[in-house]
Amino acid sequence: QVQLQESGPGLVKPSETLSLTCTVSGGFITFYYWSWIRQSPGKGLEWVGYISHSGNTRYNPSLKSRVSISVDTPKKQVSLNLTSVTAADTAVYYCARHPGGAAKSGYYFDSWGRGTLVTVSS
Amino acid sequence: QSVLTQPPSVSAAPGQRVTISCSGNSSNIGNNYVSWYQHLPGTAPKLLIYENKKRPSGIPDRFSGSKSGTSATLGITGLQTGDEADYYCGVWDSSLSASGVFGGGTKVTVL
Repeated sequence: QVQLQESGPGLVKPSETLSLTCTVSGGFITFYYWSWIRQSPGKGLEWVGYISHSGNTRYNPSLKSRVSISVDTPKKQVSLNLTSVTAADTAVYYCARHPGGAAKSGYYFDSWGRGTLVTVSS
Repeated sequence: QSVLTQPPSVSAAPGQRVTISCSGNSSNIGNNYVSWYQHLPGTAPKLLIYENKKRPSGIPDRFSGSKSGTSATLGITGLQTGDEADYYCGVWDSSLSASGVFGGGTKVTVL
């Protein structure tokens, strides 16, 4: 049973960079796609972006200028960087696995981490 | 404002049936597969339905999914207190600003 664990600072100052890591255990990191999804307080889920097993990335257009996702296959880790954060970036950030990419039959999230709360505040 | 429209809340008594709608357009639901997720606060969201109507192993057949045109529906029969949660639909939007999108979420309350 694959498990995903998000980790990173719980507090980030405005204008700084939010950096999170998702560690995958109990399963392969290859052959899958990996997304970051966030939920701001009192709001719904928002897709941030994904990286494929081959390193191709797709990002939410509303965040595209500030976000980057990378993968370290030997460490079985997926990383998220979000630059120039504001209070609007305060959210629980989830890592999730999906079998396929954009508009493919495998675009569904079959495993999720429990999420990590990141607060943007000075 | 979510690209996909869900009712904010639905409610029913234990044992009853509820349906949750998810409305989109031809760029998303109309041409791509829909998935559904159950989310209890403080926990990882759980996949309930994928590819419009398929259930992952371990998901009871009380949960069902369907799609027609640019709308999708999640059905829950035999409602249980443990079903009280937030439910989200998700799909890829293939418009010019292509992106993954979710509905705004629906709170299911068991009366």
